[in-house]
Amino acid sequence: GESVGLHLPTLSVQEGDNSIINCAYSNSASDYFIWYKQESGKGPQFIIDIRSNMDKRQGQRVTVLLNKTVKHLSLQIAATQPGDSAVYFCAEITINQFYFGTGTSLTVIP
Amino acid sequence: GAGVSQSPSNKVTEKGKDVELRCDPISGHTALYWYRQSLGQGLEFLIYFQGNSAPDKSGLPSDRFSAERTGGSVSTLTIQRTQQEDSAVYLCASSATGQGYNSPLHFGNGTRLTVT
Repeated sequence: GESVGLHLPTLSVQEGDNSIINCAYSNSASDYFIWYKQESGKGPQFIIDIRSNMDKRQGQRVTVLLNKTVKHLSLQIAATQPGDSAVYFCAEITINQFYFGTGTSLTVIP
Repeated sequence: GAGVSQSPSNKVTEKGKDVELRCDPISGHTALYWYRQSLGQGLEFLIYFQGNSAPDKSGLPSDRFSAERTGGSVSTLTIQRTQQEDSAVYLCASSATGQGYNSPLHFGNGTRLTVT
């Protein structure tokens, strides 16, 4: 899972399997969360967001789950494809500040 | 395009030189952020501009770093007397309001700075 630190967590999945990427956030006052995808040589791209008054939100092939009790966020990617290989960041937002974790590197094995 | 544009995409400079990095945010976005990303690391907040308010400079690592945002649009990040530890990717992002739900950050592709 994702955490603040020197080493980038990695996750390898077979093409077609589901992926789950985890994130622990720190500020119980954070009221908005976003998952970003960053491909090599590019800036982070918005994937999906969720507000703190929700516990689940679904998009196209992606689902974000929020557990405020344990301050945990997860991103589920259904039927993972080679194009999903990237680094995934969660961001917690408090007022106007965005706090990012180190990221998780996802590799999809064909 | 309608996205955030950064230039140059790559910059190699000698230690001790000054560099300027440019960011063109999405038109109409009032909030602009600069982040620094070192290899294998997360995003380190540097500075935040919101409309005509005084910028939040709390993330700037030293007084060698400064940024301006002219006319509420284009921003320039300046690093004076560059050091090797300044080598990183500098990312700019903008958002419609910078506050709350439905106002995510939209990032440019960054400027990769290498100090030799």
